[in-house]
Amino acid sequence: GAVVSQHPSWVICKSGTSVKIECRSLDFQATTMFWYRQFPKQSLMLMATSNEGSKATYEQGVEKDKFLINHASLTLSTLTVTSAHPEDSSFYICSAQDPGTLSSPLHFGNGTRLTVT
Amino acid sequence: KQEVTQIPAALSVPEGENLVLNCSFTDSAIYNLQWFRQDPGKGLTSLLLIQSSQREQTSGRLNASLDKSSGRSTLYIAASQPGDSATYLCAAPISGGYNKLIFGAGTRLAVHP
Repeated sequence: GAVVSQHPSWVICKSGTSVKIECRSLDFQATTMFWYRQFPKQSLMLMATSNEGSKATYEQGVEKDKFLINHASLTLSTLTVTSAHPEDSSFYICSAQDPGTLSSPLHFGNGTRLTVT
Repeated sequence: KQEVTQIPAALSVPEGENLVLNCSFTDSAIYNLQWFRQDPGKGLTSLLLIQSSQREQTSGRLNASLDKSSGRSTLYIAASQPGDSATYLCAAPISGGYNKLIFGAGTRLAVHP
């Protein structure tokens, strides 16, 4: 079945540095991917929609200059947290849907635990 | 604007019990509704997807129902097992959309032997 791979699964970085998270669709092409953020003991919140070949669209309250999204190919979207601060520490999860099967469920990556020290 | 609420927030039961997890949503004009499982520190596993034209879906010991008119969905877990312990999330698409999801806060389930 369709699988979404996310890398790295965890990362620790120092305040002020940038971190890149990759999201890949392994056996289907995804023109659209989604990035979510989950703070401890809270639910997932949609951050942005990644669109292949065009700019990402961000949800209200999400800084586009801080969270850079690049949808470089039909199977890869990247989220870069720029100049990370401790308050950016969170669990980031991507999702994608096989466009050939719109009635299929969205598939999620295993998430990336970001800790900024 | 779509909002999703889940009740109860937490549940602790002995093994073998049949369980009901509740989800409500404010915008009933949804394309579908999806139930997920999340283990601690892990990503999401899709459990069941109910299309707007369907009233329920079943997978093994899991059964999910959808009542659009009342804005409710129910996840029924039969004969619970310790391995069912996880957080269960309900998600509905944003108003007017179908693949951008709004999640409930989840129900944290603990099944003890």
